[in-house]
Amino acid sequence: GGIITQTPKFLIGQEGQKLTLKCQQNFNHDTMYWYRQDSGKGLRLIYYSITENDLQKGDLSEGYDASREKKSSFSLTVTSAQKNEMAVFLCASNPDWGSSAETLYFGSGTRLTVL
Amino acid sequence: GQQVQQSPTSLVLQEGENAELQCNFSTSLNSMQWFYQRPGGSLVSVFYNPSGTKQSGRLTSTTVIKERRSSLHISSSQITDSGTYLCAMERGNYAQGLTFGLGTRVSVFP
Repeated sequence: GGIITQTPKFLIGQEGQKLTLKCQQNFNHDTMYWYRQDSGKGLRLIYYSITENDLQKGDLSEGYDASREKKSSFSLTVTSAQKNEMAVFLCASNPDWGSSAETLYFGSGTRLTVL
Repeated sequence: GQQVQQSPTSLVLQEGENAELQCNFSTSLNSMQWFYQRPGGSLVSVFYNPSGTKQSGRLTSTTVIKERRSSLHISSSQITDSGTYLCAMERGNYAQGLTFGLGTRVSVFP
């Protein structure tokens, strides 16, 4: 079996700060995702990557950058944190871009609070 | 508008009661999936259910593709069933993963 590890579990930042969230998977999966989960708004796709060095924008990419320098890792940067922002960021992976969602696995999330 | 609509928003159950959660899709459906999320926890797939009925223990999922809907039935609920249940549909472009509903929060009390 494999695991998706997200760090940090909790992230507290200041308004305007650049913040980076990290995700590592040892499934050897090609495709990785970043979702944002807000209370009352469900999960929304921020960025995804179908292979190393590939980046694709999702529905909510504005205000974020992503990086996939290695197959096993996918990082997300909040370019300028917004005051009173509070959300959970979830990383996920799938074997390859053509795989069905049956093989989609999630990490346990990074909870962001902006003061 | 919301492509995946879940109802009810929340549900309070006494241990032992049954419950039915609904998911409706506004667009044509390739396949769908039910996830469970404990407070502060990760999403865990409960059912991958493109169509028909699937059962796992006390949980049963029924998806009717033509009617663009799916349901999740919990029988004899237990306190450990508490959490949020999310349904999601596959996007036409598989690489984009899933489109999620807002979830149904289930609370089971003794």
